[in-house]
Amino acid sequence: NAGVTQTPKFQVLKTGQSMTLQCAQDMNHEYMSWYRQDPGMGLRLIHYSVGAGITDQGEVPNGYNVSRSTTEDFPLRLLSAAPSQTSVYFCASRRQRMNTEAFFGQGTRLTVV
Amino acid sequence: AQTVTQSQPEMSVQEAETVTLSCTYDTSESNYYLFWYKQPPSRQMILVIRQEAYKQQNATENRFSVNFQKAAKSFSLKISDSQLGDTAMYFCAFMALDHTGANSKLTFGKGITLSVRP
Repeated sequence: NAGVTQTPKFQVLKTGQSMTLQCAQDMNHEYMSWYRQDPGMGLRLIHYSVGAGITDQGEVPNGYNVSRSTTEDFPLRLLSAAPSQTSVYFCASRRQRMNTEAFFGQGTRLTVV
Repeated sequence: AQTVTQSQPEMSVQEAETVTLSCTYDTSESNYYLFWYKQPPSRQMILVIRQEAYKQQNATENRFSVNFQKAAKSFSLKISDSQLGDTAMYFCAFMALDHTGANSKLTFGKGITLSVRP
C-alpha cells in the first residue's frame, strides 16, 4: 500500500519557469490538499479538493493552480515560479467523513533562484 | 475562521523526563477534531494523537496524552518518558465538521521544535 506518493522530492527552478508537483494516492480518499511549509509559519493550505472535478482555494493560493480529474491524482502547478515560492510542499489526503486522519506525502523541497 | 496558536517555538527536555507542549485554538464551531502531528528530521508528517471535541475523556496513545480543555480552547500534548526519537517538530492542528457533517479544512499551528537531550 503506497499511501500518498509525491514527486519530485527536490527541485530547483529558475524564476519564471513553470513546473508541476505530482501527488497520487491509492486509498480512494475523497479529500486531497496541498500545503506549503515555511520556517516559523507552520503548514499553510494552498488548494484543496473534495472530489474529482471539484477544487477550491485555501489560505495562500496565488501563483498556484490545481486540477482533480481523477480521485487518485491532484497535481499542483506553478505557472511562473518566484523566489517567494521557495518552500517545502506537502500533499495530503483523507476521507471526507469517518476516519479523519490525514496522510501526507514525503514533501517536495522547492528552491526558486 | 479557525486559528491555532502554538506560542512556544522551541523546547528542550532531558531523556526520560516528561514534557508538555501547549496549543490553543479559536473557533465558533461546536463539532471538531484536534490533532498533534510529529515531523522528525526526515520531514515525514506523522499523526501522534487525535481528540474528538465531543469526547470529554482525554485521548492517550502509549507515552503520549493530551489535556483537552474545551471551555478554555486548550489542547496540550504531554510526552512521558521522553526518548531521543521524540526529537522533532510538533504541530497542533484543528479540523471542524461542516454543516453536512463532512470534514473541513485542516488548520495547523506554527509548530514547536522539541529537542530531547541524552
